[in-house]
Amino acid sequence: EAQVTQNPRYLITVTGKKLTVTCSQNMNHEYMSWYRQDPGLGLRQIYYSMNVEVTDKGDVPEGYKVSRKEKRNFPLILESPSPNQTSLYFCASSPGTGGDTQYFGPGTRLTVL
Amino acid sequence: AQKVTQAQTEISVVEKEDVTLDCVYETRDTTYYLFWYKQPPSGELVFLIRRNSFDEQNEISGRYSWNFQKSTSSFNFTITASQVVDSAVYFCALSDAYVTYKYIFGTGTRLKVLA
Repeated sequence: EAQVTQNPRYLITVTGKKLTVTCSQNMNHEYMSWYRQDPGLGLRQIYYSMNVEVTDKGDVPEGYKVSRKEKRNFPLILESPSPNQTSLYFCASSPGTGGDTQYFGPGTRLTVL
Repeated sequence: AQKVTQAQTEISVVEKEDVTLDCVYETRDTTYYLFWYKQPPSGELVFLIRRNSFDEQNEISGRYSWNFQKSTSSFNFTITASQVVDSAVYFCALSDAYVTYKYIFGTGTRLKVLA
């Protein structure tokens, strides 16, 4: 089944404790992206990747890191999480760049205490 | 800069009513794509439609229809004869084709369909 998977689905952590949210797709998509969803703000793009080893900042990249060492995986790293990073995170992938339809993972709800 | 505005934060309708969700966008690009996604209470994001900037034909899919008007930079979504299962948050999104490779989402419209 074609899908985007994220792990974990739920995470409660404390300020400053490094964490990684994994994202994997099995559709051989070139483009992958991370978003955060906050009430009243919609989805905001954090980082995106156009292919292996090619990443760029979205609109809200501060406090996050990403890497794209393999085409299928695009982990989101929070080196020192803070409470303002409490949010619902979505990973997405699309076949290419240039406005292709994105397919989203199920979401990861992160709480930073 | 690109921007997507969904001015309607929340809409409530009674079942079987028609409802239109508004989406206004801003972009300087001539080639771009517009999308609508649905987020039901279960939380997943479901793709509904993708439209490129050169195709202004309206589209109908069952009870759903979309009206794209470049002259007013709008891409509105109408649900005819709404049903309780249509209750969800709906997001409009914009992506340029060749420049930034970013996707910009609106803040969403929460639709409540009452039985």
